[in-house]
Amino acid sequence: GAVVSQHPSRVICKSGTSVKIECRSLDFQATTMFWYRQFPKQSLMLMATSNEGSKATYEQGVEKDKFLINHASLTLSTLTVTSAHPEDSSFYICSARVSTENTEAFFGQGTRLTVV
Amino acid sequence: EDQVTQSPEALRLQEGESSSLNCSYTVSGLRGLFWYRQDPGKGPEFLFTLYSAGEEKEKERLKATLTKKESFLHITAPKPEDSATYLCAVQPYTGGFKTIFGAGTRLFVKA
Repeated sequence: GAVVSQHPSRVICKSGTSVKIECRSLDFQATTMFWYRQFPKQSLMLMATSNEGSKATYEQGVEKDKFLINHASLTLSTLTVTSAHPEDSSFYICSARVSTENTEAFFGQGTRLTVV
Repeated sequence: EDQVTQSPEALRLQEGESSSLNCSYTVSGLRGLFWYRQDPGKGPEFLFTLYSAGEEKEKERLKATLTKKESFLHITAPKPEDSATYLCAVQPYTGGFKTIFGAGTRLFVKA
C-alpha cells in the first residue's frame, strides 16, 4: 500500500506557542489530504480537507485561524496549531488519497500533541 | 444524515474463536465502504474497500462483506496479534471524497 509519513509522532509544547505537523506521501502524489483529530476511545473527527494549491475546506466548528493548513505540493501538507492551549491536546492524524480514481485513503502514524 | 454505527463496542475472544464485527450505515449514495485496523497510538491501517452489495474481500484471517445496509468483518480463528480497534467508514458520492468513520470495535484476543 501507499506510504504516508507524519512528523513528529509526539510533541509537547507550552501554552501559547504554535506547533507544526507535517504529512508527506512518500511514494505517490496526493491530490487530496485530510486532517483528523481523535480523542481517546473515540473515532476520527475530520477537521479539514486540503487540495494541492488551493485553500483547505474546514468542517463546521473547526477554527481555520487556529488550525492552519497548507498543501503546497503534491507530497506535503502541514497543519499548524496556533497559540495552542491545553484543550488542543489530542491525537492528530493525516491521510492522503492516491489519485482521483481510487477512493481509499492511507493514513500517517499520527501525532500526539500535549500542550502544557 | 450519513452515519456509521459499529457493534459491539468491544469484543473479547479466545484464540481460535471465530466471530464477526458489524457496521451498519446510512448514506445518501455509497461510493465506497472501508475497513481499517488501528493499533493504540498509531494511525489506521487500510484493510479493505467494498463498493457494492454482495461484494466480499479476504485477507488472511479477515473477510469483509457488504449489503445495502451493513458490512461485516469476519475473523476466522483469530490470534492475539489480531487484537486492535477495527474501524468502518463510508464515503458518500457527495462531499468530495470525505469519509465518515464509525466509533470502532475494540477486539481483544486472548491466547
